[in-house]
Order: sequence, then structure tokens, then C-alpha cells
Amino acid sequence: AQTVTQSQPEMSVQEAETVTLSCTYDTSENNYYLFWYKQPPSRQMILVIRQEAYKQQNATENRFSVNFQKAAKSFSLKISDSQLGDTAMYFCAFMKRGSGAGSYQLTFGKGTKLSVIP
Amino acid sequence: NAGVTQTPKFQVLKTGQSMTLQCAQDMNHEYMSWYRQDPGMGLRLIHYSVGAGITDQGEVPNGYNVSRSTTEDFPLRLLSAAPSQTSVYFCASRYMIDGGDPYTFGSGTRLTVV
Repeated sequence: AQTVTQSQPEMSVQEAETVTLSCTYDTSENNYYLFWYKQPPSRQMILVIRQEAYKQQNATENRFSVNFQKAAKSFSLKISDSQLGDTAMYFCAFMKRGSGAGSYQLTFGKGTKLSVIP
Repeated sequence: NAGVTQTPKFQVLKTGQSMTLQCAQDMNHEYMSWYRQDPGMGLRLIHYSVGAGITDQGEVPNGYNVSRSTTEDFPLRLLSAAPSQTSVYFCASRYMIDGGDPYTFGSGTRLTVV
């Protein structure tokens, strides 16, 4: 079984500054995907970024980037130039790669509540 | 609009009542799943299905039943609601192909059991 740990229940950042959200995971799998999801007050789950474990290059999506350290089982999210609209819960999630039924299950961390301060 | 539709968005139940949370998708996704979200707990998998007629348990299945008679629909049934089932419930679906394709999530159902 996989576990995902987010050690920062709450964080805050000044608008236009940079913030990093931490995520560690535990798995015996070698091939998997990692995700960051954003949940604004609207409750909608929004995919922010994903990383394929077999790719060494860190994924980036505009102002969002990850620092993926496979050996350390660490997957942090960096948000640059923070905006008020980034205020949300952020969830780190793990999914095993493959084609069996267990391969499609998402295992989530407990989340980090991020507040962007004007 | 293509997506996952959950109904109702809000519901209040009395302890012991039964109800069904509806989930429908129109993307021909094989895989469908139900999660519950509780404060400080993240999202936890309740049940999932890999196709019509096939369901299986997730991490927290007790107190919930599911069935999948069609590809489109995956209802979640609470047979005898308990206060511990107060939560936000999400339905999510995706294709069953090897890849990091994103899930499509419904907008959630906030359930309160009093």
C-alpha cells in the first residue's frame, strides 16, 4: 500500500512571492505518477501538475513547478508569483502505473491549506 | 457539457435514513470511483468500478454499497446513515489506459447526518 504525507496543514504567502508545498510518499512501486490537485472554495478538484516517475525532468506548468526526488520519495510543489486565486487546499496524490485495476486508484495526502495574502 | 454529474449537491439526513448519491458521466470512462473528504483526512477511496457489473472496495467501504449496471452511472447507497458519514463525497472517472491521464471529478455532494 502507498502512503502520501503532507506535513504542512496550513501555509501563507504574500502575493507575488514564491511558496513551496511539501509532499513525501512511501511505495515499493518503481513506476508511478504523482499529482498535485488544487481545491478552491468552490470545492472543485483541479489538476495542477503531474509527474511521471520514470522521467527525471521536473514537470512545470506556467507558475507551477515540482521538485521530484525519486530516491528521497519527495515531490514538492513550487508556486511562483503567487496570486490571490491560488488560495486553496492543495493535495498531493499518488497513482501506480500499469493496467490492472489497482493502477487507477489515487492515494491522497491530507492536504495543505494555502492562503495568499494581499 | 461532458463531465461527471453528481446529485444532489447538498443533503441532510437523519440517523438511520437511507439515500443514494447519484453519479453519471458521459465520457465513456470505464473506471469510476467514489471518495469521501473529511477535514484533515484528505480524500479516501470508498468503492470503485472498472466496468459495468464490476465493483470493488476501497479504503473505507463500510456503510456504503455500490452497483454499476451501465457504463455511465455509478450510484453510492447509504443504507442506514450514521453521523460518521457526514462528509463531502466526490465521484471521479477516467479511461483505463496506462498513462497519467487526469481524472474527471464531479463537483461533490455535501452530506450531513444528524
